[in-house]
Order: sequence, then C-alpha cells, then structure tokens
Amino acid sequence: GQQLNQSPQSMFIQEGEDVSMNCTSSSIFNTWLWYKQDPGEGPVLLIALYKAGELTSNGRLTAQFGITRKDSFLNISASIPSDVGIYFCAGQFRGSQGNLIFGKGTKLSVKP
Amino acid sequence: DGGITQSPKYLFRKEGQNVTLSCEQNLNHDAMYWYRQDPGQGLRLIYYSQIVNDFQKGDIAEGYSVSREKKESFPLTVTSAQKNPTAFYLCASSKAGEGYGYTFGSGTRLTVV
Repeated sequence: GQQLNQSPQSMFIQEGEDVSMNCTSSSIFNTWLWYKQDPGEGPVLLIALYKAGELTSNGRLTAQFGITRKDSFLNISASIPSDVGIYFCAGQFRGSQGNLIFGKGTKLSVKP
Repeated sequence: DGGITQSPKYLFRKEGQNVTLSCEQNLNHDAMYWYRQDPGQGLRLIYYSQIVNDFQKGDIAEGYSVSREKKESFPLTVTSAQKNPTAFYLCASSKAGEGYGYTFGSGTRLTVV
C-alpha cells in the first residue's frame, strides 16, 4: 500500500531556532497537507498544498510541495515554546477517493 | 460555529465490555473517519464512511464496529474482541472527493481497567 516516510521522528528545539522536517512517498501525490497535534487534542490543519513547486506560508511556518510530487517539506522559523507538539504530513494520490495517507509524525520537544 | 465533537473525552471500560464512542459533525461533510493513536505511533485507520449507510474497513478494523445511519453521526463501538483497546481515538470528517483535508475532533482517551 501507499506509504509516507516522515523524518525526523523527533527533535529538540531551543527557542529561536529554525526547524525543518520532510515527508517522502513512493507515489505521486496530488495534495500535501501538514497538521499539528497538541498533547491530548486532535490534529489541526496548518497548510495545504495543491501544485508541484508550490510554496505556502502560515505565519512562521512555510511548506513546499516538491517538484517531483513525491515529497513535501515544512519549515518553522524562530521557534517558540508553543511550537512543541507532533507534526504530521498527509497526502492524497489520484484515485484515493479523498482518503489521506498520514506520515508517522515528527515530535517537537523543548531542549532541556 | 461548525465543528466535529467527540464524546466523552475520557472513558474507562472493564475488560469484556463493549463501549461506544460518539462522533458528531455539523460541517455537512459527507465522509467520516475513525483513527486509533498509540503513544509514539502515528494514526492508524479503523473505519471510514464516504456516504450514509455505507462504510469500509481500514487497516485495523478487527474488534471494532461502526454505523452511519445519519450524515452527522459516525459512532464507533469497541468490542470485547479488541485485544488492546486502551488508546486515543480520533474521529475526522471531510468533504467528498479529492483535494480536501480532514477536520479532526478532540479525541477520546479509552482506558481498559
């Protein structure tokens, strides 16, 4: 079946640092989405991407739809403590009937 | 305001008992989904429904059952056949077709005691 590889699995951030994470798929996707999940809550949509090469920002967050349509990237600039949580990528391929494939998530924690 | 509501937030069940988790949406979405999330794990699809009175098994449907009698509602029953039911359960909904993201509920944490 379709799979998404999301990396890194986890990372520690220090306030002010920039953060990058990415997802790669074995198939071409038509839509890429990025979600954030706070502890004990449901994921919330951050950014949606619909075209190869598309670069979209939402405040300090920037996501890109890869040119090959098999990958996507999320960057967080100047991280703050409330950025901690789990970030999920998700994608749709043609013929998926709207069903999303999810990555396993990247957990952001604050450096001790 | 439109949204998707899961209840209860916390649920305790004795071993051998069935329990039903509620999911209601007023977003007029056609499709609804149930996911299970374990610590350190991603989201695993249990069941989904793209239209009233129809639903399909996801990757981990064994020990679970659903119904979709109304567009707004997609309850999940965790049966006694589910061997490891303690988990965080998430319901989601979306418009029909491709190009739409999911709206998630705030989840139900089920603990078997």
